[in-house]
Amino acid sequence: DAGITQSPRHKVTETGTPVTLRCHQTENHRYMYWYRQDPGHGLRLIHYSYGVKDTDKGEVSDGYSVSRSKTEDFLLTLESATSSQTSVYFCAISAQVNTEAFFGQGTRLTVV
Amino acid sequence: QQQVKQSPQSLIVQKGGISIINCAYENTAFDYFPWYQQFPGKGPALLIAIRPDVSEKKEGRFTISFNKSAKQFSLHIMDSQPGDSATYFCAASMASNYQLIWGAGTKLIIKP
Repeated sequence: DAGITQSPRHKVTETGTPVTLRCHQTENHRYMYWYRQDPGHGLRLIHYSYGVKDTDKGEVSDGYSVSRSKTEDFLLTLESATSSQTSVYFCAISAQVNTEAFFGQGTRLTVV
Repeated sequence: QQQVKQSPQSLIVQKGGISIINCAYENTAFDYFPWYQQFPGKGPALLIAIRPDVSEKKEGRFTISFNKSAKQFSLHIMDSQPGDSATYFCAASMASNYQLIWGAGTKLIIKP
């Protein structure tokens, strides 16, 4: 994998608790993305970043926030986890828009 | 208009056969059409991509056919092998929008 590390890889959390997922890259790519993957839906974009402190919402951003204080780190926070946020979360990076995106290994999150 | 519709949902092909997966889009502003391959427990990885200035692109056993007038593109896997068994996603994006719009995926099984 292209220098992308997601942590944790697996997490079980209770409804109503905050959760933070971390994506760390060593490629110095400008763009970073958080997706969720659910059966029958492909991948859906939650938030993305086009530079340090520059972020914007994706298709399914409700209930999620992000931060990017350094080029290499992109954090996804579930402010108050709900069962509907049980999913596999992928971080991706790309050097430019409209070019190849490289994906991390994913984080499987279960909200009980 | 942002959707990418992918079919079939699942596909079983005999070893040595041709696997064909189709995608259709509505937004004529899309100008980048990648195919990603995903194995269980892994993140998606770029397989092959095409831009609308060409009608076909081939890389080894994998070919994208692109029909701009019909707003359709397809992935052909020649001489399919058991190692090709994976989930395949088509996607589309445009330079003016950071979002990659994904199809719902096709689970491909190659029978030995």
